[in-house]
Amino acid sequence: SQTIHQWPATLVQPVGSPLSLECTVEGTSNPNLYWYRQAAGRGLQLLFYSVGIGQISSEVPQNLSASRPQDRQFILSSKKLLLSDSGFYLCAWSPGTSGGADEQFFGPGTRLTVL
Amino acid sequence: AQTVTQSQPEMSVQEAETVTLSCTYDTSESDYYLFWYKQPPSRQMILVIRQEAYKQQNATENRFSVNFQKAAKSFSLKISDSQLGDAAMYFCASSGTYKYIFGTGTRLKVLA
Repeated sequence: SQTIHQWPATLVQPVGSPLSLECTVEGTSNPNLYWYRQAAGRGLQLLFYSVGIGQISSEVPQNLSASRPQDRQFILSSKKLLLSDSGFYLCAWSPGTSGGADEQFFGPGTRLTVL
Repeated sequence: AQTVTQSQPEMSVQEAETVTLSCTYDTSESDYYLFWYKQPPSRQMILVIRQEAYKQQNATENRFSVNFQKAAKSFSLKISDSQLGDAAMYFCASSGTYKYIFGTGTRLKVLA
């Protein structure tokens, strides 16, 4: 069966510090991978998605970046965090053969607080 | 561009009663799919129901059903016989080629 892991679960960082959130998927090959941010009182904002190693599509131009160094690994990074980066970050995957037809499977999320 | 709008930030329903959550969407994709996800207090996202836009028949999953009106670009979720465990945030989403766009969510409260 497939599982998705995210870490850390909780993170408190000062403004201006770097960020690295990691997501890995087990039990499947060539998944589509996604990063979302859920701010308080708002929906899920799509940040990045990837349909293959090294292929990253950015939906929101800001100080965040994403990388996919391995087939089932997706990393969200920032060089300098802003207060507005606070939120709940969700990683998700969907079967690589499906385009947008299949459901997405979500990780447990990372709560990021920038002080 | 894809957009999904949920105009009800919060809804309440009495236990065992029926409630309908609204969702409208807009998409330029000719082939797309629609979803309702549930996010309980644990914050783990769970798929509730899925609808293929090319199918006219409304999807059903036990107590959950949708009213899909393609011309009106409307995709509402009906929960019958509401249970305390249905209390959660509900998100409507549409997908085209690889991209999934979510609405802002509706918080459902179930009253005992």
